Parts: sequence; structure tokens; C-alpha cells
Amino acid sequence: EAGVTQSPTHLIKTRGQQATLRCSPISGHTSVYWYQQALGLGLQFLLWYDEGEERNRGNFPPRFSGRQFPNYSSELNVNALELEDSALYLCASSLGLAGAYGQYFGPGTRLTVL
Amino acid sequence: AQKITQTQPGMFVQEKEAVTLDCTYDTSDQSYGLFWYKQPSSGEMIFLIYQGSYDEQNATEGRYSLNFQKARKSANLVISASQLGDSAMYFCAMRERGTGRRALTFGSGTRLQVQP
Repeated sequence: EAGVTQSPTHLIKTRGQQATLRCSPISGHTSVYWYQQALGLGLQFLLWYDEGEERNRGNFPPRFSGRQFPNYSSELNVNALELEDSALYLCASSLGLAGAYGQYFGPGTRLTVL
Repeated sequence: AQKITQTQPGMFVQEKEAVTLDCTYDTSDQSYGLFWYKQPSSGEMIFLIYQGSYDEQNATEGRYSLNFQKARKSANLVISASQLGDSAMYFCAMRERGTGRRALTFGSGTRLQVQP
């Protein structure tokens, strides 16, 4: 069974540009979560999508947005990039609202803002 | 608000010995889940073990066990017979079931180095 996949692996942008990160969940998982891990810091929750809807978001500005597609894959968009947006962005999936157990993570996208 | 505390920024252990990584949590919810993840230098978060707040027995998964002490609000990870491949960052995380939130709250992590 394929795990969570993310693309691209690395992304380099300049300040003010937009970045788009993509995530495909494990087959059968309907929930997708996005987390940001800045250098030397723990993971901070960004967004949660389930069944195509945004269910919850963390304490991040509106320029962090995303969506979930009918096949449950997801896209994270970061507009007006700032230097402090440089981080590892991790996507995780789980069995949806009824899922009480682990979230399974992808390999991450490392975003560098110059 | 829920909070996870990992007080050991770094730990060293000799190969084949056991090691305990500490985790304490704070929540007002009665129903919650506790998780441990391993993050090698590659960056991927690997799910290790899960403990539900109503589970009476401590969770075990191979060489990993979770020492759950509910009254003390601690959920320490025990790794038995350490291997060189266990060198990584380890994160404790929690999810409150009652609030409708499904996102995990993570601790700051412990870097484990296994020495030969």
C-alpha cells in the first residue's frame, strides 16, 4: 500500500511569490492535515481538510490556504511569501472524522524563500 | 489549551541498552489520544505508537512501549535494545477527541543518539 506522497520535494521561491505544495493521502483516507516545521522548531498545525471541506485551521495568516479535491488529494498555497515561511511542510492523512488513531505523514516539501 | 512538554532536548544511549524519553501533557479533555513519532534526518515523520486515554493497558509495538501514567499526565516512550538506526528526533503528540479538533499538538522533541 502506497503511503502519503508529497510534491515537490524541494521548492525555492523569492519573497512575494506564491508557492503551491501538493499531497496525496493513503488510499481510503479522507482527512488531510498540513503542518509547518520551521528549522529547530516543532510541528505547527496549519490546516485540516476532510471530505473536501476545511474543518479547522491553526494560527496562521490567511495567505496560507488550501483545498481538497474529490479524490482527497490536497493542495497548500502560500501567497506573498516571506522569509520566515522557509520550513519543512508536512502533510498527513487519516481515516477521517471517525479515525481515532495515527496520522500518517508524507516525506515533506522543503520550502526555501530567498 | 492542550500542551505537550518534552524536557529532554537531547539524549545519548549505548547500543543495545534501553532508553526512556519523557513526555508530559496538559489537557482538560477526558478523552484524548497520545502519539509518538520518530523523525530521522530525512524529515519524514514515522508513527511509532498510540495510547488512548481510556486504554487500561500500556501500548506496546515491538521494541517500543508507552509508559502511560494518567494521574501524572505522563506518556513516556521506552525503547528497548537500542539500535544505531534509532538515532533520530522523537516527538510526543496529543489529540483531544472531545473538541472536534483532529490536528495533533506536538512537543518540541528529543534528539536521541545511539552510540556503538
